[in-house]
Amino acid sequence: DQQVKQNSPSLSVQEGRISILNCDYTNSMFDYFLWYKKYPAEGPTFLISISSIKDKNEDGRFTVFLNKSAKHLSLHIVPSQPGDSAVYFCAAYTSGSARQLTFGSGTQLTVLP
Amino acid sequence: EPEVTQTPSHQVTQMGQEVILRCVPISNHLYFYWYRQILGQKVEFLVSFYNNEISEKSEIFDDQFSVERPDGSNFTLKIRSTKLEDSAMYFCASSHRGGYTFGSGTRLTVV
Repeated sequence: DQQVKQNSPSLSVQEGRISILNCDYTNSMFDYFLWYKKYPAEGPTFLISISSIKDKNEDGRFTVFLNKSAKHLSLHIVPSQPGDSAVYFCAAYTSGSARQLTFGSGTQLTVLP
Repeated sequence: EPEVTQTPSHQVTQMGQEVILRCVPISNHLYFYWYRQILGQKVEFLVSFYNNEISEKSEIFDDQFSVERPDGSNFTLKIRSTKLEDSAMYFCASSHRGGYTFGSGTRLTVV
């Protein structure tokens, strides 16, 4: 039961350009969404989050957009840097619960110099 | 910046042995979690812990698993009799008011 889906396993982008990572969800009870960056053999590193009462949240080079009607969120990184190369996971939880995260399968972003 | 600390970073154990994975969550966080990631697969929720008891657990978290908060700072995951399929990265996390922080993980290898 894939409640959170990242349909693109990989994405390559030129340095300086925009990276757009997409995520879809099926569980309408989710009301908080997070993006994590992960390197091999390390823990997920929090990047940015958004609550369902908003449709956009921005932090430096990272912006997350939420389209509740489409059950879709995206992470924009601009400008992309080689150091951004990693696996990016979206995750979601329901705030009324114990807030356990449901993760997508991840997208490997490669930023080419 | 506050961190979630996990030890050991790598644990090798023989099948059937007990292992204890240790975590020190962020001190003012109220929710504690264990997740795991089998190589090449998604990060999966195992268990959440709040107010000194388990609040949610997944199907993976069967009778072989247990969690404990033995003092005010540590949070442990015990696997009583390890199986080959328990080999994975195990991540501890803690959260409070929307902030959700993961440790760097323990790589468990069951041989």
